[in-house]
Amino acid sequence: AQSVAQPEDQVNVAEGNPLTVKCTYSVSGNPYLFWYVQYPNRGLQFLLKYITGDNLVKGSYGFEAEFNKSQTSFHLKKPSALVSDSALYFCAVRDYQAGTALIFGKGTTLSVSS
Amino acid sequence: GAVVSQHPSWVICKSGTSVKIECRSLDFQATTMFWYRQFPKQSLMLMATSNEGSKATYEQGVEKDKFLINHASLTLSTLTVTSAHPEDSSFYICSARGGGAYNEQFFGPGTRLTVL
Repeated sequence: AQSVAQPEDQVNVAEGNPLTVKCTYSVSGNPYLFWYVQYPNRGLQFLLKYITGDNLVKGSYGFEAEFNKSQTSFHLKKPSALVSDSALYFCAVRDYQAGTALIFGKGTTLSVSS
Repeated sequence: GAVVSQHPSWVICKSGTSVKIECRSLDFQATTMFWYRQFPKQSLMLMATSNEGSKATYEQGVEKDKFLINHASLTLSTLTVTSAHPEDSSFYICSARGGGAYNEQFFGPGTRLTVL
């Protein structure tokens, strides 16, 4: 069975500081990992994905994530946070060989203060 | 990326009525479509998976007689909430994927359902 854990309900950072939103996963096979962002009353916006290859993945709006197989983690990072980054962030995973649906973590609210 | 649309974007209905939500893949053929439900400030919960021309596979705890899913063509899936009640009020998001196990899922903008 697939599962995703986002251990933090909320992350607070000051504008200009680096941010990290944590994600760990569990799949039976090789993982296919995503990060999405959601603004209030809006759909999901794709940020980045890892399928294979380089463990450091760069995505939209300056975000990046590092795939760590030994720690089964895929933490989202950004070197310098913006107030406009404040939103709800979801990590998602699926076993890409099984062709199953994406399973989402519970979400982490990022709050960036000015 | 590919575009997935949903209609309507929001709907208000009276308790006991049925509501149909459409999900369309606009520029690709979606062999598989997924329906998710999201409560305020919570995660997306997978409701069901449907393959074109086949019956939907529902996740545990989802009533298939209440949430009717039809995937009659490669570009259209519908979710019908039958005899809606206030507890069915939620944000419903569809997702579509093309052929092949490795293909990405693309998400619709969601439909806000409010049952009075």
